[in-house]
Amino acid sequence: EPEVTQTPSHQVTQMGQEVILRCVPISNHLYFYWYRQILGQKVEFLVSFYNNEISEKSEIFDDQFSVERPDGSNFTLKIRSTKLEDSAMYFCAGQWSSYNSPLHFGNGTRLTVT
Amino acid sequence: AQKVTQAQTEISVVEKEDVTLDCVYETRDTTYYLFWYKQPPSGELVFLIRRNSFDEQNEISGRYSWNFQKSTSSFNFTITASQVVDSAVYFCALSEASNKAAGNKLTFGGGTRVLVKP
Repeated sequence: EPEVTQTPSHQVTQMGQEVILRCVPISNHLYFYWYRQILGQKVEFLVSFYNNEISEKSEIFDDQFSVERPDGSNFTLKIRSTKLEDSAMYFCAGQWSSYNSPLHFGNGTRLTVT
Repeated sequence: AQKVTQAQTEISVVEKEDVTLDCVYETRDTTYYLFWYKQPPSGELVFLIRRNSFDEQNEISGRYSWNFQKSTSSFNFTITASQVVDSAVYFCALSEASNKAAGNKLTFGGGTRVLVKP
């Protein structure tokens, strides 16, 4: 069964550095998402992406964050200048056309900012 | 604004016992979707079940069953004859249909950790 693939599985970076988290959704996914989960807490919505643009973003998704899907397959989340509080598990998700179809999540990237 | 509450933070059972996870939601939409996801110790999020707001029929799928009651805004989930492999964090989630432009943005509850002991 096709899967949403995220790389790397674990990223360690120093505060102030830029990081790029990568995701390859399942073919034919139309909607794309990033969520994050701080250790031991709930899963929080960051941003949704459709038709090559952001359709909605949360308060967490400030100017330090950006997303893009430059080549029609990879979907990336960039954090320009990481902070300690950005340490979390970041999940990418994809969805087919139906707005009530389930989101298919990747295995996540654990980001540790030191 | 949508909100999902899972009052139980942790449940511990012995293998073969049934375990019921509570979920209460808030939404102003008349059409919405409810989901349960499982997060095993390995960390991934695994889709389990989905329910539409206009279909209150409760179902059973294998060892999973759910009880959806619009009158009390609850969407409870039961694992029958629990097994050690069911040990995980279980998240209830809500999506509002009026927010179609954003696809299927999910609002998650805080999760319930289930520990099944042999």
